Amino acid sequence: DGGITQSPKYLFRKEGQNVTLSCEQNLNHDAMYWYRQDPGQGLRLIYYSQIVNDFQKGDIAEGYSVSREKKESFPLTVTSAQKNPTAFYLCASSGGTGRGTDTQYFGPGTRLTVL
Amino acid sequence: RKEVEQDPGPFNVPEGATVAFNCTYSNSASQSFFWYRQDCRKEPKLLMSVYSSGNEDGRFTAQLNRASQYISLLIRDSKLSDSATYLCVVTLRGAGGTSYGKLTFGQGTILTVHP
Repeated sequence: DGGITQSPKYLFRKEGQNVTLSCEQNLNHDAMYWYRQDPGQGLRLIYYSQIVNDFQKGDIAEGYSVSREKKESFPLTVTSAQKNPTAFYLCASSGGTGRGTDTQYFGPGTRLTVL
Repeated sequence: RKEVEQDPGPFNVPEGATVAFNCTYSNSASQSFFWYRQDCRKEPKLLMSVYSSGNEDGRFTAQLNRASQYISLLIRDSKLSDSATYLCVVTLRGAGGTSYGKLTFGQGTILTVHP
């Protein structure tokens, strides 16, 4: 059963703590992405990776870090430097970034709340 | 000006109605176009890609006008289950025909279908 999984579904963090959100896909997709969504707003790109061991900053990368050591995994760390981390975090993947392969499919998301 | 603009609505329509959503994008280098739907507190799910010639999938019809930088979605014979937020999404064309891997989302249009 192919798809994208994210864990945990809900995460609570104290201020000053780093947390890591998991994203795994078994679709054999080359490209993976992280977005955040705030209430009433569209999705904003945090980081993306087009290939293993390579990734690029998106529009709002400050306070976040990622790694892409395996094709199927793209974890996101929310660091204490992120000033307003409470949000809905969505991971996505696509076959590639060329025309016809750039359709992105999303995981179920992680809701992060900073207490 | 926002890169992708949608009328946020909400649109409240009775079952069986026809409803149309519009979307404009500002970057003429945009490569691919999509409509996603997002249910409350869930991840976005691909509804349909949008092609230059226009395309139809059952009750849903999507149109693209590159000259006017305009995308539309028409839903015929609305069902209660169509109630959701509809997201207009574009990607940018990069060098060599690849995209930058960045989906740019509109803020979404809320649709409520009532009995």
